[in-house]
Amino acid sequence: KAGVTQTPRYLIKTRGQQVTLSCSPISGHRSVSWYQQTPGQGLQFLFEYFSETQRNKGNFPGRFSGRQFSNSRSEMNVSTLELGDSALYLCASSLESTSAQYFGPGTRLTVT
Amino acid sequence: KQEVTQIPAALSVPEGENLVLNCSFTDSAIYNLQWFRQDPGKGLTSLLLIQSSQREQTSGRLNASLDKSSGRSTLYIAASQPGDSATYLCAVYTNAGKSTFGDGTTLTVKP
Repeated sequence: KAGVTQTPRYLIKTRGQQVTLSCSPISGHRSVSWYQQTPGQGLQFLFEYFSETQRNKGNFPGRFSGRQFSNSRSEMNVSTLELGDSALYLCASSLESTSAQYFGPGTRLTVT
Repeated sequence: KQEVTQIPAALSVPEGENLVLNCSFTDSAIYNLQWFRQDPGKGLTSLLLIQSSQREQTSGRLNASLDKSSGRSTLYIAASQPGDSATYLCAVYTNAGKSTFGDGTTLTVKP
């Protein structure tokens, strides 16, 4: 069974731009969660989608948004990028919200 | 608010040693606790998942225990190898529907 895939793997953007990251979960998994990982803040929960509905949201500004499609693939969008948005963005999928999470390799976003 | 602490932050051991990594959490209302390893610049690899009703889980040389009432979990690694060198993270999934991660323990196993 293929694992969680994330595209692109690396991205360089300038301040003020917007970016869209993509995540394809393991086949059959309906829950997709997004996390931001930085050296200073560690791993922080962004949001979780289940069956195309956002179930939970972390403490991030409204510039961070996401969606999930009927095939469970998910996208995350960050608008008006700031330097502090530079991070590794990780996506995790699970069968149900309370099941084991399986992570993708991440997208490394650099904002200049 | 759930807080997860992992002690120590870094650990260096000689190859072959048995070791224990610790994870503590403040809110015992959890669904499960999951241990991961992360290699530099990579994503997280799931190691073990313990449901709130379970006391321990084992996989190969790894054994994880959970004491929900005291807010503690341990990850025991037997006969450590240089390939075990990585950062180990624990995460608790709470009734609030969110996962909270610790900052991890960076393990170095010296040949």
